Amino acid sequence: AIQLTQSPSSLSASVGDRVSITCRASQGISRALAWYQQKPGRAPKLLIYEASSLESGVPSRFSGSGSGTAFTLTISSLQPEDFATYYCQEFTDYPRIFGQGTRLEIK
Amino acid sequence: QMQLVQSEGGLVRPGGSLRLSCAASGFTFSDYYMTWIRQAPGKGPEWVSSISTTSTYTNYADSVKGRFTISRDNAKNSLYLQLNSLRVEDTAVYYCARGDWVFGLWGRGTTVIVSS
Repeated sequence: AIQLTQSPSSLSASVGDRVSITCRASQGISRALAWYQQKPGRAPKLLIYEASSLESGVPSRFSGSGSGTAFTLTISSLQPEDFATYYCQEFTDYPRIFGQGTRLEIK
Repeated sequence: QMQLVQSEGGLVRPGGSLRLSCAASGFTFSDYYMTWIRQAPGKGPEWVSSISTTSTYTNYADSVKGRFTISRDNAKNSLYLQLNSLRVEDTAVYYCARGDWVFGLWGRGTTVIVSS
């Protein structure tokens, strides 16, 4: 099965900062990648699909890029509600694979 | 509004069984593949199983194949997951989710604890 490796595993940042999270696939997956945000005690929330398409209702400060094996989620200006854990997920084949997560904390 | 309402979970002994349910509303349930995803304490999400719109196709993670069964009843707008031969490592929050490629709508989760 494909493996997804996120980096960093955790990140401290301040409100207003620009942050980027990377997801690397063990083999090429074209643009078959999604990004989710999860807050404690809540279900994950879809942010980005097909590597760079913004899910309806998601603020435009979130953006995704990449193809093949390297992908990036960028938050252009961190807001207080953005501190959460972020996961990438690929959808080329079964099993669907999630990354191990990146925890974004307030500095 | 669109929502997925999940059943209550519970504490089950190793080797025991449990059936999870997920009731959909606010969208045409029969138009969508549906999926179960679980999340063990302190871990990331793990895809468990998906089912096609008419139940023709089902897929399972290797870790649950032969023990879990996904099903749906489009007349009742409901998704199910039958969990048999439960193991301690099946302890997790189980989410139902709409879709098969990406998951844009999730239930609130059902906690399943497998312990003696």
